[in-house]
Amino acid sequence: AQKVTQAQTEISVVEKEDVTLDCVYETRDTTYYLFWYKQPPSGELVFLIRRNSFDEQNEISGRYSWNFQKSTSSFNFTITASQVVDSAVYFCALSEFSSNSGYALNFGKGTSLLVTP
Amino acid sequence: KAGVTQTPRYLIKTRGQQVTLSCSPISGHRSVSWYQQTPGQGLQFLFEYFSETQRNKGNFPGRFSGRQFSNSRSEMNVSTLELGDSALYLCASRYEGRSPLHFGNGTRLTVT
Repeated sequence: AQKVTQAQTEISVVEKEDVTLDCVYETRDTTYYLFWYKQPPSGELVFLIRRNSFDEQNEISGRYSWNFQKSTSSFNFTITASQVVDSAVYFCALSEFSSNSGYALNFGKGTSLLVTP
Repeated sequence: KAGVTQTPRYLIKTRGQQVTLSCSPISGHRSVSWYQQTPGQGLQFLFEYFSETQRNKGNFPGRFSGRQFSNSRSEMNVSTLELGDSALYLCASRYEGRSPLHFGNGTRLTVT
């Protein structure tokens, strides 16, 4: 069963628009971690943020902001005033402890964001 | 600090052959993980090594194996290659179990 759902497969926006990437997760654990990664065409996954299950505070970092809501099991990511350099595939991931895989990341399918000038 | 380095960047192999991929983690990171990325299955966890021991393993057949050396560098081996093994193989390192993973650029393997 898919533990992390990113319902938006592709999003296309014009530069300077705001865009929100949705992430819904599923877990029975009370202790878990959520992550967002960015994958530009070069292939490297770039770490953006980690949030633990006990910290529901929203976070803002420059043009990026994250909204974590345990009540809806969502961890959404907003880019304000998007730029062409934001074009990439964005992955949401869940880390919960498992006897087999430890704290391995369970990734969503990703959302491909295209920002056009 | 240098990031995670993976070599080679690209590989083309034939069905039935075997392949070895290499990964050098960020200095000071003792945990190295491997992930497979394909268009159909997305990103899937292969295994994690810590202090030269395989600590965790994903749901992959025994043809996929790895090891870690005393300097934390890691290698991943795939034997008897199948067409379905064509993928981007990503290596990642972290300081400890719950720290964020930092990924390399990956090795793109094509099996013909």
